[in-house]
Amino acid sequence: DAMVIQNPRYQVTQFGKPVTLSCSQTLNHNVMYWYQQKSSQAPKLLFHYYDKDFNNEADTPDNFQSRRPNTSFCFLDIRSPGLGDAAMYLCATSRDTGAEAFFGQGTRLTVV
Amino acid sequence: GESVGLHLPTLSVQEGDNSIINCAYSNSASDYFIWYKQESGKGPQFIIDIRSNMDKRQGQRVTVLLNKTVKHLSLQIAATQPGDSAVYFCAENTGFQKLVFGTGTRLLVSP
Repeated sequence: DAMVIQNPRYQVTQFGKPVTLSCSQTLNHNVMYWYQQKSSQAPKLLFHYYDKDFNNEADTPDNFQSRRPNTSFCFLDIRSPGLGDAAMYLCATSRDTGAEAFFGQGTRLTVV
Repeated sequence: GESVGLHLPTLSVQEGDNSIINCAYSNSASDYFIWYKQESGKGPQFIIDIRSNMDKRQGQRVTVLLNKTVKHLSLQIAATQPGDSAVYFCAENTGFQKLVFGTGTRLLVSP
């Protein structure tokens, strides 16, 4: 059974049109991460939540925002997608820092 | 800055051989390391982890070795199978709630 669920698996959006990707978890984990992964590259951490505390990476563009309304759900908002934002977006959870992170299957975003 | 890197981008092996994938890290404060396997179009899948107070950990067909002196870890896969073909990432928990990934190594297993 899937424990970290990302919807949709594939998302096509228009250049400049806001888009939201969602992630839900059934593990009741404290930490939720969002990563961006471009082709043949390693996942790059955008930000994460520890409970309700938001931690942004210094080099994450302002175009990327996140919301975590409750323990189970976390959203990635891209306010004005550019062509360079086309990538796989991965959500992960972990019980705590220093613990195994469980990944969802990702959402592949295409910007047209 | 923090960085975790891999020495070889692609490793090709024959089925049945043992595979060794290497990873170098630079943050001496890192205390937890994970190896992930990622198949095409899927999210990373946990393989094995190791904490900094250990130098070796074994799982089913996999072994991770950690050498803190030279900031190096490796993943050994015994009797490699075609189903092992994937990209392998090492990831480093830096202690600042971050899980940082290395570059990745593509493992190709031929019958």
